[in-house]
Amino acid sequence: IALTQSPDSLAVSLGERATINCKSSQSILYSSNTKNYLAWYQQKPRQPPKLLIYWASTRESGVPDRFSGSGSGTDFTLTIDSLQAEDVAVYYCQQYYSTPHTFGQGTKLEIK
Amino acid sequence: EVHLVESGGGLVQPGGSLRLSCAASGFGFSDFWMAWVRQGPGKGLEWVANMKKDGTETYYGDFVQGRFTISRDNALNLLHLQMHSLRADDTAVYFCARGDLWLDSWGQGTLVTVSS
Repeated sequence: IALTQSPDSLAVSLGERATINCKSSQSILYSSNTKNYLAWYQQKPRQPPKLLIYWASTRESGVPDRFSGSGSGTDFTLTIDSLQAEDVAVYYCQQYYSTPHTFGQGTKLEIK
Repeated sequence: EVHLVESGGGLVQPGGSLRLSCAASGFGFSDFWMAWVRQGPGKGLEWVANMKKDGTETYYGDFVQGRFTISRDNALNLLHLQMHSLRADDTAVYFCARGDLWLDSWGQGTLVTVSS
């Protein structure tokens, strides 16, 4: 399963909203449990990735509520409301519907 | 606190072999699937392999093509990645991570450089 993120990079002003998209080459919605097998990660420079969201919309413990995930089937969105300086990072989506558990190519988020 | 520490990276010639290890602490290692993910220089994340908590199931990325083997020692809380027939495009930071679906904890990574 291939994941394609858009855009590759974006610049957003502090306090504004950032939106990152992730499109899957096939549906990653498992019909038996109606769950979307998608996670989002944040990677800051010189750090390992950090899990933000799983099941497409469930925030990991400790993740600020300005981060939210949405979407179903093949199209997903990570939204960061009220952008903070510490949100500068590369963001990745990952599908775990089937192995190999592929990642999107990443979206670099910067401050405008 | 979950702690994952990778080791074993270094410089290896093309065609060579290397064995990476990941020491886990702060959680019940034998209760979790574990995975390896890599990141080439300036590149994105690439899922390498994962292994079931009891070691009975393993899955690999398509690019592995039989060259890598993931293993674990639950008595010592260790995860390994044995790599053979290394190529220049295997140059990357290799991360150890916890989870069977999403990966909720990651190590800092160990750098593998394949070059003559």
